[in-house]
Amino acid sequence: LQLQESGPRLVKPSETLSLTCTVSGDSIISNSYYWDWIRQPPGKGLEWIGTISYSGTTYFNPSLKSRVTISLDTSRSQISLKLASVIAAETAVYFCARRNFWKGVYFDSWGPGILVTVSS
Amino acid sequence: ETVLTQSPGTLSLSLGERATLSCRASQSVSSSYLAWYQQKPGQAPRLLIYAASTRATGIPDRFSGSGSGTDFTLTISRLEPEDFAVYYCQQYGSLSLITFGQGTRLEIK
Repeated sequence: LQLQESGPRLVKPSETLSLTCTVSGDSIISNSYYWDWIRQPPGKGLEWIGTISYSGTTYFNPSLKSRVTISLDTSRSQISLKLASVIAAETAVYFCARRNFWKGVYFDSWGPGILVTVSS
Repeated sequence: ETVLTQSPGTLSLSLGERATLSCRASQSVSSSYLAWYQQKPGQAPRLLIYAASTRATGIPDRFSGSGSGTDFTLTISRLEPEDFAVYYCQQYGSLSLITFGQGTRLEIK
């Protein structure tokens, strides 16, 4: 299984950050997994953004909920993230990850991450 | 929202020593829903432990997890050079919400 994030690496303040995670080596249509986005500002810890199930059900971090959209494109094996009205403090490495529910809830596969800078 | 507090913030130890990392939750967490990750600079986190005490595939047996309720521990029995990294705990709560601890940096003394 491989996950790979892609998208613009520079976004202007107040604009919308848009990223795609492409999954290879396994189907994204599985009731055993969800697909999540997690971010990490430079030098700081991990912050969970949100998740999407195989059926398209979404859950979000309450602090970001009003600005986040996560969607699935099953034909392309892709998970998309949109974060509206970004600010400079949202400069971070954005990771996509597979959430596994086998005997627990955890992230067993991660993409390498993509650094997105919010700056004018 | 369940807050996870990791301690210490930084742990300085020598090769071969035993490392004990703590993760304390603000409210009780099911053991099934507590995981640990290792992160090295420039890399994504790597799953070490899930369900509080189950090692992930390929993880050496010097790594072990324990705990229940609000107190969980990651132990590395004998530190190897590749173990020096940042470690995060993670919990799963209601409404599919996920929170991470702030991390413990394990450095060579």
